[in-house]
Amino acid sequence: DAGITQSPRHKVTETGTPVTLRCHQTENHRYMYWYRQDPGHGLRLIHYSYGVKDTDKGEVSDGYSVSRSKTEDFLLTLESATSSQTSVYFCAISERPRTGYNSPLHFGNGTRLTVT
Amino acid sequence: SQELEQSPQSLIVQEGKNLTINCTSSKTLYGLYWYKQKYGEGLIFLMMLQKGGEEKSHEKITAKLDEKKQQSSLHITASQPSHAGIYLCGAHRMDSNYQLIWGAGTKLIIKP
Repeated sequence: DAGITQSPRHKVTETGTPVTLRCHQTENHRYMYWYRQDPGHGLRLIHYSYGVKDTDKGEVSDGYSVSRSKTEDFLLTLESATSSQTSVYFCAISERPRTGYNSPLHFGNGTRLTVT
Repeated sequence: SQELEQSPQSLIVQEGKNLTINCTSSKTLYGLYWYKQKYGEGLIFLMMLQKGGEEKSHEKITAKLDEKKQQSSLHITASQPSHAGIYLCGAHRMDSNYQLIWGAGTKLIIKP
């Protein structure tokens, strides 16, 4: 199994509070991703990183920010949590960005976030 | 609507029976991934298909990508309780190096 640790695994927070989720990898992979998973929507990309301090937005980035100061850590921050951000959040890593290089995503075990 | 349509949404199969899950797109797929997700856990990579007509197998699971690269099937032979979970397909978009599109998943239940 790829060495990916997400923390916390579960969190309950109140509307309007900031929340930070952490993803830590031990594989030294360059590419890291944050997804959210919701019933009926499948997985949706929030932000991704293609190197230290190099990040970009995914399809559902509003209300989220990320930071990557080290290869192994990728942080996702909900600036002011809303109930619509209640979801399961997955971190993923890959060696290379694109198919054709036989580089699948490897996922962490997820963080279940509830915003009340 | 999902850009990748998975069918069926859920499936209940008697242990020992065969089953097939489909993943369909209206556009050409550039790399097709199959993942399995156990309840409360992350996604486990099963297989990746790239070429039209390609077929791969791992233990009792076989995945195929059609010649047009618009449809993939995942076939499980002689299903076991360990096969239970949610199966997801994902594929690369032609216009993005980083973003995968995903199906909504197929929930598989194995009856003993």
